[in-house]
Amino acid sequence: AQTVTQSQPEMSVQEAETVTLSCTYDTSESDYYLFWYKQPPSRQMILVIRQEAYKQQNATENRFSVNFQKAAKSFSLKISDSQLGDAAMYFCAYRSAIYYQLIWGAGTKLIIKP
Amino acid sequence: DGGITQSPKYLFRKEGQNVTLSCEQNLNHDAMYWYRQDPGQGLRLIYYSQIVNDFQKGDIAEGYSVSREKKESFPLTVTSAQKNPTAFYLCASSIGAGGDYGYTFGSGTRLTVV
Repeated sequence: AQTVTQSQPEMSVQEAETVTLSCTYDTSESDYYLFWYKQPPSRQMILVIRQEAYKQQNATENRFSVNFQKAAKSFSLKISDSQLGDAAMYFCAYRSAIYYQLIWGAGTKLIIKP
Repeated sequence: DGGITQSPKYLFRKEGQNVTLSCEQNLNHDAMYWYRQDPGQGLRLIYYSQIVNDFQKGDIAEGYSVSREKKESFPLTVTSAQKNPTAFYLCASSIGAGGDYGYTFGSGTRLTVV
């Protein structure tokens, strides 16, 4: 069974600096999707970024980018120029190309220091 | 604006009562999902539906029931058989059955047993 591990329960970063959140997953499949979601204090989940496993190019959305290492089964999220509004829980999720269920990590709480 | 509306935001249930959480979407999405979130944990799938009048159990379906009579609506009933229902409940939807492009989430319902 697939699993997703976020090894950092909490991270903190100074405003305007860069932070990287880690995510590893376990799968025997070659085709799948990976996602990062943000859950701010309002608790509504927001999709941050998406990666298709068959694409080698790392996905980027404005200040958010990923480092996708397929062989290492690693999918880290880099947030550049951190802003106060980035403070939230961040969840990594895996979706098999065959099965439609998302497998979620336990989350990383990101604190932004002004 | 298109989106997902969950109601109520807060719900209190007495022991032995059934309660229903509402989820409505105007995104014309095919698939809808119900998740449960407990403190310090990732999301756990309760039920999902890929088309009208069809739904499947997720990992923790016991004590819950759903219906999908309309594409826009996917209500969740928490029955008295659910022994520990206090949690945060999130409804989501996706284009297509698989959610390849990620999910759109509602703002959640906080259920408390009193």
